[in-house]
Amino acid sequence: GNSVTQMEGPVTLSEEAFLTINCTYTATGYPSLFWYVQYPGEGLQLLLKATKADDKGSNKGFEATYRKETTSFHLEKGSVQVSDSAVYFCALSASDTGRRALTFGSGTRLQVQP
Amino acid sequence: GAVVSQHPSRVICKSGTSVKIECRSLDFQATTMFWYRQFPKQSLMLMATSNEGSKATYEQGVEKDKFLINHASLTLSTLTVTSAHPEDSSFYICSARTGQGLSNQPQHFGDGTRLSIL
Repeated sequence: GNSVTQMEGPVTLSEEAFLTINCTYTATGYPSLFWYVQYPGEGLQLLLKATKADDKGSNKGFEATYRKETTSFHLEKGSVQVSDSAVYFCALSASDTGRRALTFGSGTRLQVQP
Repeated sequence: GAVVSQHPSRVICKSGTSVKIECRSLDFQATTMFWYRQFPKQSLMLMATSNEGSKATYEQGVEKDKFLINHASLTLSTLTVTSAHPEDSSFYICSARTGQGLSNQPQHFGDGTRLSIL
């Protein structure tokens, strides 16, 4: 079956530090890959996505590149802010289920200190 | 655009009560809606997929008589937790997208409903 593995958190960084959150996946076929962000007490917001190999998704300073050879989709940001503190979920949608539901990783909590 | 409204945001009720959660797409037609459940500090687990006008498809281990899903229009899906018990306490999140089946349209999420059963 499909699965997503994320690095465990929490990840604690100082403001303006460089961020990497690792994500690897297992899937049949050619999945689409996503990063979602969840702020406390809220639902999920799509942060960025990539639908095919070598695509780079980017948004709000975050970026991730779809690497088929390493089955990875690591999230990076060059300079984090306190407002980036949230839980980040890596996810994939694949065609084998017939409905492209999302399979989520376990989430990584990011805490940015001033 | 692509706003999904989920209501209520929080429910506290007694054991044995049935609770209905609404998920509305405000500015697009949601052909497909998904219902997820999230336990504290854990990821989201898909419960069921519903397409407008047809019966929901439940994931393995999810009781369809316990979690009733109705998707009667292109803008509204409801999840009813029947005869809720404390173990049903959780954070329930819906998402919606255009397109059925293998559509690659992105899912848009509601803000979730925190259900607490006493």
